[in-house]
Amino acid sequence: IAGITQAPTSQILAAGRRMTLRCTQDMRHNAMYWYRQDLGLGLRLIHYSNTAGTTGKGEVPDGYSVSRANTDDFPLTLASAVPSQTSVYFCASSPSGGATDTQYFGPGTRLTVL
Amino acid sequence: GQNIDQPTEMTATEGAIVQINCTYQTSGFNGLFWYQQHAGEAPTFLSYNVLDGLEEKGRFSSFLSRSKGYSYLLLKELQMKDSASYLCAVRDSNYQLIWGAGTKLIIKP
Repeated sequence: IAGITQAPTSQILAAGRRMTLRCTQDMRHNAMYWYRQDLGLGLRLIHYSNTAGTTGKGEVPDGYSVSRANTDDFPLTLASAVPSQTSVYFCASSPSGGATDTQYFGPGTRLTVL
Repeated sequence: GQNIDQPTEMTATEGAIVQINCTYQTSGFNGLFWYQQHAGEAPTFLSYNVLDGLEEKGRFSSFLSRSKGYSYLLLKELQMKDSASYLCAVRDSNYQLIWGAGTKLIIKP
């Protein structure tokens, strides 16, 4: 059982380029999340999806978009990358998105925008 | 605004006990989580508290006081492998997790 996988592991990207971070889970969880983690700051929610076909905006959604075509996949797209999007990106999933849900995290993608 | 406060860094000795505090101010409360994150790795779940009191799980215990907006994580019999960051997170009224910046715990022999 893989749990949650993310790709790529790391990437260096020129500013202005488009980039899609991939996230796949095999736990049949309904809810999925994208966070960014920056030094000295807590994890910040970018976008989330409570079930396939629906998405919502988190705390820092600007410059990012997501889609949830099926239960397993939740890609995050940077339409035109900027240096401030340099960060470590974590995908997470949870069974239902409910109050007692525990979120499980993927290994992360380290993104550098130059 | 919503706010989660934790000490930035703590140092403890192998075999000892350490308490990591977390205070929070959030719009609503639907539980408090503690996660462990080793350097360069993903956060992993440690504990969940929704009612006041102490939850014990092996060497780790977590305490919650909702009236004080306060929690702590207690780690006993510290081992070198416990060197990591410990993240406190509160689930708010929208069922989203609000995260603290984490406490880096350094264990010395």
